[in-house]
Amino acid sequence: QQQVKQSPQSLIVQKGGISIINCAYENTAFDYFPWYQQFPGKGPALLIAIRPDVSEKKEGRFTISFNKSAKQFSLHIMDSQPGDSATYFCAASGEGRGSTLGRLYFGRGTQLTVWP
Amino acid sequence: DAGVIQSPRHEVTEMGQEVTLRCKPISGHDYLFWYRQTMMRGLELLIYFNNNVPIDDSGMPEDRFSAKMPNASFSTLKIQPSEPRDSAVYFCASSGDYYNEQFFGPGTRLTVL
Repeated sequence: QQQVKQSPQSLIVQKGGISIINCAYENTAFDYFPWYQQFPGKGPALLIAIRPDVSEKKEGRFTISFNKSAKQFSLHIMDSQPGDSATYFCAASGEGRGSTLGRLYFGRGTQLTVWP
Repeated sequence: DAGVIQSPRHEVTEMGQEVTLRCKPISGHDYLFWYRQTMMRGLELLIYFNNNVPIDDSGMPEDRFSAKMPNASFSTLKIQPSEPRDSAVYFCASSGDYYNEQFFGPGTRLTVL
């Protein structure tokens, strides 16, 4: 069972546009929500993360929006650049209701292509 | 720090052979994770360790897979016997604490013919 559901599977955006990737979860024990970025031939790397005590976190062109009541969170990439072309994974972590301490539950990933 | 080190980077073997993947986590990290990535199934957690002790191995596909962490600086993932459906990229990751980011290694691309 997929604990974190991610959409879309792939996304094509024009340079300068906004990329939006959405994730949803069910386990209310989750209390840490990171996004990872993976380039071809590389391992995933942490991009940005949020805790549920805030509704938004921004780092440069990357913003996480978090809706605790809806159990949804999303990644927004402003002014998307060709160098942002990569696979993005959302994830969640927390102890309780079947989830174990320290473990990240990953979404299936979104392949983002930014056209110049 | 050199980051998470994995070896080999590429492995091509024949069905039925034993395969051993190796990982050296970042020094001082208490958590070590083994993942498998395929187009069909995405990024799957196979097993993870905390302070060298296996905590959750529910993702290990079957008895052909085994993982060990004999000390804080080394872990192995073994597949015996290997099958073509085991072909994937295997990642090792480590983290310093519960909320700390996981640092992924470069991965081992395994091809089983």
